[in-house]
Amino acid sequence: GAVVSQHPSRVICKSGTSVKIECRSLDFQATTMFWYRQFPKKSLMLMATSNEGSKATYEQGVEKDKFLINHASLTLSTLTVTSAHPEDSSFYICSARNRAAYGYTFGSGTRLTVV
Amino acid sequence: GQSLEQPSEVTAVEGAIVQINCTYQTSGFYGLSWYQQHDGGAPTFLSYNALDGLEETGRFSSFLSRSDSYGYLLLQELQMKDSASYFCAVTLNQAGTALIFGKGTTLSVSS
Repeated sequence: GAVVSQHPSRVICKSGTSVKIECRSLDFQATTMFWYRQFPKKSLMLMATSNEGSKATYEQGVEKDKFLINHASLTLSTLTVTSAHPEDSSFYICSARNRAAYGYTFGSGTRLTVV
Repeated sequence: GQSLEQPSEVTAVEGAIVQINCTYQTSGFYGLSWYQQHDGGAPTFLSYNALDGLEETGRFSSFLSRSDSYGYLLLQELQMKDSASYFCAVTLNQAGTALIFGKGTTLSVSS
């Protein structure tokens, strides 16, 4: 089945630094990947749609310069949280859809803690 | 705006049957899907309905009524491991590039 690998699973960083999160589709090509943010006991909030070879589409209220997305290949999308602050601490999850199957496959998520 | 409504919490005992409802109001609709998420983990796909009716997959079934903008997830023969959050999600476009999630229902199964 479709597998999406997300790395790292946990990261603790200092305020003001940047953190890169990788999302890879392992056995299928994903022209589109999605980045979500989830607060404890809350739903997944779509942050942006990552398109291979073009600019990402950001949801309203999400800062493009803060959350940099790069989708350089059909199997890799990255989210960089720039100049992280404690309020950026959250669970970040990527997903992609394998056109051969229903449903979206999610990465295992990244727990970001900014101290 | 887009909205998906589902109950915030449901409790049940092992062996019971539980139905989690989802009503939606969205700008587009191509299908309703359900995802399960255990604490600290990633959501996993459970089922998808594009047409009216019932889809059965083992102990889980999902139903859709497009005319009522309503669907539900039915979990039978509940097990402790089914304790998790369940999200309904609407696919907004044909390309499947827009997916909106409900706020999730926390299911607690006790012995």
